[in-house]
Amino acid sequence: QVQLVESGGGVVQPGGSLRLSCAASGFTFSSYGMHWVRQAPGKGLEWVAFIRYDGSNKYYADSVKGRFTISRDNSKNTLYLQMNSLRAEDTAVYYCAKVGQWLEFDYWGQGTLVTVSS
Amino acid sequence: SYELTQPPSVSVSPGQTARITCSGDALPKQYAYWYQQKPGQAPVLVIYKDSERPSGIPERFSGSSSGTTVTLTISGVQAEDEADYYCQSADSSVWVFGGGTKLTVL
Repeated sequence: QVQLVESGGGVVQPGGSLRLSCAASGFTFSSYGMHWVRQAPGKGLEWVAFIRYDGSNKYYADSVKGRFTISRDNSKNTLYLQMNSLRAEDTAVYYCAKVGQWLEFDYWGQGTLVTVSS
Repeated sequence: SYELTQPPSVSVSPGQTARITCSGDALPKQYAYWYQQKPGQAPVLVIYKDSERPSGIPERFSGSSSGTTVTLTISGVQAEDEADYYCQSADSSVWVFGGGTKLTVL
């Protein structure tokens, strides 16, 4: 069965950096695009970034462009999100999600909480 | 920037039909998807390609599309359907979620 397990969240000061990981299993990771989606406390879902199955194309929300970098290591079945210049408004639960056949977000991880606070 | 608009809340009694709408300019040419999220849990896909239901999703969940509006319909609502529901679509390599609708089962 498909499993996505995020890790790397925690408390970081404004201006700091953090790298999130998403370990994938139960499917051929190298064949599917992947997304990061976040949810601030008590708020709705916000798409953050997408990476193609082979890493050749990456897209970002305007709110994180230039600060966050999505990447993947298909040999390790792992997705990453490098987050730099963090702000208080980046505080959220971060989910990784797999892209399905019809471009839907068909499987989600359980999320990892990032708190940006001094 | 591309936006999807949902009502903040919908309330229904058990056994009734709940309809949640989602409006967006790109919806006539892009598929819409719906996700259910219960407190403390990750979202779950309930509708893809406007009206298709993934395996394991009850038949009472259905989707439809008309012009710039898509609709999630839950027939014979049950207490367990109380959750937040999000529509989602994409346009020009930007993926967008609606603001979410809280479904309350009275």
